[in-house]
Amino acid sequence: EVQLLESGGGLVQPGGSLRLSCAASGFTFSSNAMNWVRQAPGKGLEWVSGISGGGGNTYYADSVKGRFTISRDNSNNTLYLQMSSLRADDTAVYYCAKDRWSSSPGYFDYWGQGTLVTVSS
Amino acid sequence: EIVLTQSPATLSLSPGERATLSCRASQSVSTYLAWYQQKPGQAPRLLIYDASNRATGIPASFSGSGSGTDFTLTISSLEPEDFAVYYCQQRFNWPRTFGQGTKVEIK
Repeated sequence: EVQLLESGGGLVQPGGSLRLSCAASGFTFSSNAMNWVRQAPGKGLEWVSGISGGGGNTYYADSVKGRFTISRDNSNNTLYLQMSSLRADDTAVYYCAKDRWSSSPGYFDYWGQGTLVTVSS
Repeated sequence: EIVLTQSPATLSLSPGERATLSCRASQSVSTYLAWYQQKPGQAPRLLIYDASNRATGIPASFSGSGSGTDFTLTISSLEPEDFAVYYCQQRFNWPRTFGQGTKVEIK
């Protein structure tokens, strides 16, 4: 059974940093691209970032490019999202999502339960 | 950026009725389109990918169609558990984008 467990969310001040983690199990982690998708309170879904199975290719939404860094540790089946220069509009539930494909992120076939990031002073 | 516009915003139907949801892309996405279902307090669930392929475990009551810029998700007969918000998403171009969602509510 595929399981994705996010952690690392919390309250952070504007301009601050936070690192999210996603522990994966139930599938061959290195065989699939992985993604972060966020959802602001009461709003729709926004794809944030993706990374290929091997970790060599990364992709970002324009809204986070230069501020967020996605990475993965295939030896420990863990996905990360390093967030810096956080702004109020980054406030959202952040979901870790497994991709159907190994290379270029495409469709998200399994999701974690999400971790809430609140950016506020 | 490809903009996906879903209609209607809200669909009020009774159990047993047929639901037809629309997703229109601002430019062609070929058949690189998916549909997700999200219930309150839960993560989204992949229903359909590549416009018409059901994901693992998705019942046959869900079907997708379309290509280019116009897509449809059909639920043939609404079950109580199908009342939720539905999103379309494209993987044709960067960045990956979602529609704003259609809420299917009980009439």
